[in-house]
Amino acid sequence: AQSVAQPEDQVNVAEGNPLTVKCTYSVSGNPYLFWYVQYPNRGLQFLLKYITGDNLVKGSYGFEAEFNKSQTSFHLKKPSALVSDSALYFCAVRDNTDKLIFGTGTRLQVFP
Amino acid sequence: GAVVSQHPSWVICKSGTSVKIECRSLDFQATTMFWYRQFPKQSLMLMATSNEGSKATYEQGVEKDKFLINHASLTLSTLTVTSAHPEDSSFYICRPEAGSYNEQFFGPGTRLTVL
Repeated sequence: AQSVAQPEDQVNVAEGNPLTVKCTYSVSGNPYLFWYVQYPNRGLQFLLKYITGDNLVKGSYGFEAEFNKSQTSFHLKKPSALVSDSALYFCAVRDNTDKLIFGTGTRLQVFP
Repeated sequence: GAVVSQHPSWVICKSGTSVKIECRSLDFQATTMFWYRQFPKQSLMLMATSNEGSKATYEQGVEKDKFLINHASLTLSTLTVTSAHPEDSSFYICRPEAGSYNEQFFGPGTRLTVL
């Protein structure tokens, strides 16, 4: 079965520093991978996706993610964190029945 | 980008009552609707999938008679929580999809609190 894992419940980073939110995947076949952000009491906002092509995917709000097939990872990154980036981040994979399977989420806290 | 609305955004009800949640895709036709439930500090769990004009397909462990889903038009789907109980208190989120591989749009969510 397709799945994603987010090993960190929370990531803390100082404003202006680079951030990484980790995600690993387990799929059969080609992975369709996604990152979403959720602010309190809000639905999910799409950040970026990997379907095929360039391993470095650029998304919204300055975020990017790197697809690494050998490490089965799809980590979310941003060169310089903002306090406003503090939110809950979800990695997801589209399974072979076209459903989105979500990771457990990682809370990002950016300190001023 | 596409706009998806949910109504109400927050509802508090007494145990035993039924609550209807609406999800509207305002500028595209949703051939498929996904309904998710999110408990506090947890991830999104898919409850059911519905195609316009067809009966919904429920995930394992989700009671179809308790969570009634109607997808009668391409722009509106409803989730009715029947005889709600405190354990049904959760954040309910819809995701309309037009065709395949259109994962960008989620509703803003409805917070249900059952007293």
